[in-house]
Amino acid sequence: EVQLVQSGAEVKKPGESLKISCKGSGYSFSSRWIGWVRQTPGKGLEWMGFIYLVDSDTRYSPSFQGQVTISADKSISTAYLQWSSLKASDTAIYYCARGYYYMDVWGNGTTVTVSS
Amino acid sequence: QSALTQPASVAGSPGQSITISCTGTSSDVGGYNYVSWYQQHPGKAPKLMIYDVSNRPSGVSNRFSGSKSGNTASLTISGLQAEDEADYYCSSYTSNNRVFGTGTKVTVL
Repeated sequence: EVQLVQSGAEVKKPGESLKISCKGSGYSFSSRWIGWVRQTPGKGLEWMGFIYLVDSDTRYSPSFQGQVTISADKSISTAYLQWSSLKASDTAIYYCARGYYYMDVWGNGTTVTVSS
Repeated sequence: QSALTQPASVAGSPGQSITISCTGTSSDVGGYNYVSWYQQHPGKAPKLMIYDVSNRPSGVSNRFSGSKSGNTASLTISGLQAEDEADYYCSSYTSNNRVFGTGTKVTVL
């Protein structure tokens, strides 16, 4: 079965750093693009960026460029999304998903809560 | 990049057909045949329903169909069923970016 399994929920304080993960299985993980999508009640779904596991080519949405870092370790079929200094406005559910023009396999989501 | 515009809600009775619109610009929806649609039930991850404007992934019911005219894409659900009640989002490729729609809540009366 093709699946993406994400790391568990996180509760952080403003200013803290965080790295969440997305592990793929059931397909050739390194041959595809993996993207990240943010979901908030107020703004729906937002595409953040993605990474091509073959050569680590990374693309960011202009809205998230400089705000997050997308990386991957293809040896363990895992992609990452990280923040160096969280803000309250980063509170959201984050999904990883496979694909370039469309996203055909989605992770289970990671809830990130940032609160003092 | 502004979100694509969808109606906030659409309702229909079981067995009826409904259509959800997704309006963008010539830089996204109108410029490429890379429109996709996602279904999301409460507390669940989105699920791909339509890709490349009108293609259905394996396992998706043929009651779901997609089309596009100019800068507006559409998702039609025919033979509406209770299980179709969910949120639906469109998405489009745009140069070096992706954009989602504002989302539509489908209610089965």
